This record gives sequence, C-alpha cells and structure tokens, in this order.
Amino acid sequence: NAGVTQTPKFQVLKTGQSMTLQCAQDMNHEYMSWYRQDPGMGLRLIHYSVGAGITDQGEVPNGYNVSRSTTEDFPLRLLSAAPSQTSVYFCASSRLAGAWGDTQYFGPGTRLTVL
Amino acid sequence: GESVGLHLPTLSVQEGDNSIINCAYSNSASDYFIWYKQESGKGPQFIIDIRSNMDKRQGQRVTVLLNKTVKHLSLQIAATQPGDSAVYFCAENMRNTGNQFYFGTGTSLTVIP
Repeated sequence: NAGVTQTPKFQVLKTGQSMTLQCAQDMNHEYMSWYRQDPGMGLRLIHYSVGAGITDQGEVPNGYNVSRSTTEDFPLRLLSAAPSQTSVYFCASSRLAGAWGDTQYFGPGTRLTVL
Repeated sequence: GESVGLHLPTLSVQEGDNSIINCAYSNSASDYFIWYKQESGKGPQFIIDIRSNMDKRQGQRVTVLLNKTVKHLSLQIAATQPGDSAVYFCAENMRNTGNQFYFGTGTSLTVIP
C-alpha cells in the first residue's frame, strides 16, 4: 500500500490564482481530512469527509472547497489564493468514520507559497 | 475551543540518554491521545496512543504516561538515538467529536551524538 499520497509536493501561486491540492489513499479508509500547519501552531482542521459524497467544515474552512466523489480521493481547492494561505497542507485518513480512538495516517504534505 | 499544549518547545539530549516530552491538555472530556513524530519535510507519523482508561502504555523504546488528574501526558523515549531527532506532537480526541483531533504545537527534539 502506498498509504496517503499528496501532490504536488511544492507549489507557488500568485494572489488570486486557484489550484487544487490532490490527496489519495489506498487503504479503503472512510474518513479523510485536510489540515494546515503554520509555524508555531498545531495542525488545524480545514475540511473533512466521513465518506464518499459527504463533506463538512473544520476549524478553518474559509477560502477552501472540498469534494469526495470516491472513497480514495479527497481534493482541496483554493478558490482565490491569498498570502494568508501560505502554509504546509496535510491530508490524513482514518479507517472508520465517526470512530473514536481511530488512528489518523498522514500524507507527506504540500508546501504552498502564495505571493 | 480546546487546547493542547506542550511545556517545552525545544529539547536537546545526549545520544543514549532517555528523553521525556510533556503535553498538557485542557479538556477533561478528552479520552484518546496520540503521539506523533514529524521529521523535517515529512508528514506526522504515528508513534503510540493511549486511551483514558489507561495510565501507561509501552511500545518499542517508547512509553506514554497519562495523568488524568492534572491533565498531563508524557512521551518517554529510551536510549535516544540520532534518528529520534524530530518534532513531537500530542493530539487529543474526544468521544463526542468522532474523528476530530486537536493538536499541540510540538516539541523539537535534538539528539546530540
């Protein structure tokens, strides 16, 4: 199993541009999520999904959209990039949705810079 | 909101010594905890977890201790090796929030050869 994969690894955008960060998992996990990691701060939840066709907002959803058309894929879209969205983005998945005490597995991250 | 904090942002230890990384959590309803290791340029990697019905759990060279009375969590690494150099995060989960975790800011561990 490849686990959780993310592309691209690095990206530079200009303010106002849009782009999609890709995330895929091959473990048949129900739950998938997106976090951002900023210096001096813990990981913050952006959006999550408990299954195909179901998504919900996390702690910091503004400026981002997600969709979950398949179990495997969970792309994150930046609609109009802003410098405040400069961050490292991590995708994670868990085997069961809504399961307390279920470990999350993380992808390698995408480092995004918005100029 | 919930908060998970770490007492020390940086820690340096000699190779072969034991390391102790601490974490305080504020929500007494938190009932599942994970320690993650994050190496430079990589995603967080699961190390060990513990549920609130336990005080201690041991893995390979790692031990997690949970003190619910003072809402404190610690990660002990035995015989620390250079490969242990990384940032360590604790994360908490509450039964009524399903999969949602809250993460601390991390402690940077440096192992001195």
